Amino acid sequence: KAGVTQTPRYLIKTRGQQVTLSCSPISGHRSVSWYQQTPGQGLQFLFEYFSETQRNKGNFPGRFSGRQFSNSRSEMNVSTLELGDSALYLCASSLESTGNEQFFGPGTRLTVL
Amino acid sequence: QQPVQSPQAVILREGEDAVINCSSSKALYSVHWYRQKHGEAPVFLMILLKGGEQKGHDKISASFNEKKQQSSLYLTASQLSYSGTYFCGTEGPNTNAGKSTFGDGTTLTVKP
Repeated sequence: KAGVTQTPRYLIKTRGQQVTLSCSPISGHRSVSWYQQTPGQGLQFLFEYFSETQRNKGNFPGRFSGRQFSNSRSEMNVSTLELGDSALYLCASSLESTGNEQFFGPGTRLTVL
Repeated sequence: QQPVQSPQAVILREGEDAVINCSSSKALYSVHWYRQKHGEAPVFLMILLKGGEQKGHDKISASFNEKKQQSSLYLTASQLSYSGTYFCGTEGPNTNAGKSTFGDGTTLTVKP
């Protein structure tokens, strides 16, 4: 089975721009979660989608949004980028929404200049 | 609220044992454990779903004390390949289903 894929792997943007990150889960997985990872903050939960519905959302401003398509692929959008948004963005997929192991993708490294 | 992991860092010699703890102030439905090596994505180790459940494979095992809202990861006879940062992820009961909250991680370094 192919693993979780994320595109692009690296991005450099400037403040004020917006960015869209993509995540393709493992085939058959219906849940996709997004995390922001920074050296000082660890893994911070952004949101989780299950069957095209956002089930949960972390404590991030409205500039962070996402969606999930009928094929379970998910996108995450960050508008009006700030320097502090520089981070590794990881998505993870799992079979169901709760109580299942999560399989992480390689991440997208976003640098905001 | 994120779980608290302890210790923050540990250095071992090959063959030594280590215990990493994960505590939550809220009721837990499940606890997940992951290992992340530098520059790589976190890799799933195991999940514990029931209070008192214990799991293990190879020389890595974990326990989950539902009443105390704690989980511990046990690494025995550590190998160089065990080096990395270990994260526990927790899920609350139904109202927070699908929302995994991770601890800050425990950095494990195994030296020859």
